[in-house]
Amino acid sequence: DIQMTQSPSSLSASIGDRVTITCRASQSINNYLVWYQQRPGKAPVLLIYGASTLQSGVPSRFSGSGSGTDFTLTISSLQPEDFATYYCQQSYSGPVTFGQGTRLEI
Amino acid sequence: EAQLVESGGGLVQPGGSLRLSCAASGFAVTSNYMNWVRQPPGKGLEWVSVIWSSGSTYYADPVKGRFTISRDSSKNTLHLQMNSLRAEDTAVYYCARALVSDAFDTWGQGTMVTVSS
Repeated sequence: DIQMTQSPSSLSASIGDRVTITCRASQSINNYLVWYQQRPGKAPVLLIYGASTLQSGVPSRFSGSGSGTDFTLTISSLQPEDFATYYCQQSYSGPVTFGQGTRLEI
Repeated sequence: EAQLVESGGGLVQPGGSLRLSCAASGFAVTSNYMNWVRQPPGKGLEWVSVIWSSGSTYYADPVKGRFTISRDSSKNTLHLQMNSLRAEDTAVYYCARALVSDAFDTWGQGTMVTVSS
């Protein structure tokens, strides 16, 4: 199975900050990379698919980039509702696998 | 608007069985790739199973041979039959619809399964 590793595992930031979360795949996954946001007690929400395509309704302060094995999720200017846990997921081959998550805290 | 609502979770003893259901509205479960994803308390997401629009089914290794995914077109509902349950199956179970790219764009609210004596 393809292993997905996120860094950092947790991150402290302030309102208005620009933050970047990294996801690395154990082998090339082309651009089959997805990002989710999960708030406590809630289901995950799709943010980005195809490594860089913003899901409809997601604010433009979210962006994704990368290809192959290295990917990033960037939030350009943190808002209060952005403090949550973020997961990457690959859908390139084999079973779908997720990263371990990055907790974004105030 | 596409929506999913899970039900059927609860407390079950090790070795027991449970059947989860996921009622869909706004789209047909038979026309999409439908998945189950679980999340143990305080931990990350783990994919469990998928049923393709063709009817083909696939499972994660930890549940293979114990869990069965199915769908009922007349009720537009997805099911997960879970047998021989273990403590490590304790988790919130989500059903999720996948886009063509296998991005899960619609999720249910989740149902908690606790395996304990």
